Amino acid sequence: KQEVTQIPAALSVPEGENLVLNCSFTDSAIYNLQWFRQDPGKGLTSLLLIQSSQREQTSGRLNASLDKSSGRSTLYIAASQPGDSATYLCAVNGGGSEKLVFGKGTKLTVNP
Amino acid sequence: EAGVVQSPRYKIIEKKQPVAFWCNPISGHNTLYWYLQNLGQGPELLIRYENEEAVDDSQLPKDRFSAERLKGVDSTLKIQPAELGDSAVYLCASRPGGAHTGELFFGEGSRLTVL
Repeated sequence: KQEVTQIPAALSVPEGENLVLNCSFTDSAIYNLQWFRQDPGKGLTSLLLIQSSQREQTSGRLNASLDKSSGRSTLYIAASQPGDSATYLCAVNGGGSEKLVFGKGTKLTVNP
Repeated sequence: EAGVVQSPRYKIIEKKQPVAFWCNPISGHNTLYWYLQNLGQGPELLIRYENEEAVDDSQLPKDRFSAERLKGVDSTLKIQPAELGDSAVYLCASRPGGAHTGELFFGEGSRLTVL
């Protein structure tokens, strides 16, 4: 059974700092991994999708990497801004399960 | 292009009452999901549709929950009767193609409060 863990559960940083969010999964036989952002009271917004054959994906100030062999993905946010404050969730597709398995998320606060 | 649309956004009911949630996925998206999200947790799958077929409903509490996706487009999730523990956010999501392809897109969710 696929299990997804996100550490830390919460993170508070000053504006302008570069930061890394971590996601680990137990079964490396995945199809893809997706990072989402969730603002309070809102649905999930897709940030990046990494296919199993890819090592990383970039969108603006965001860069997501994938290391299947070690069961890890990281989301790098450059030059953080207060508007980046949200909960970030990773979801793993595959790995012994036909369903998308989510981590519990990392709640990010960027202080002005 | 419109995203995944859900209604109602908020619903407050008393226990034992029925409730229904509606979802309209992105046009052309064959795969539709219903997820349940409790506070501080990641979403958990309730049911997955490929077109009009429910291909994974193993997590759906079938004694009180039901879902349908007529004509393979819109979907409805129903709870009858609702219990206090059903208070949560119900999220609908869709993706093009099958379960292993493409990006997943979510609606804003329907927040249920059972009193």
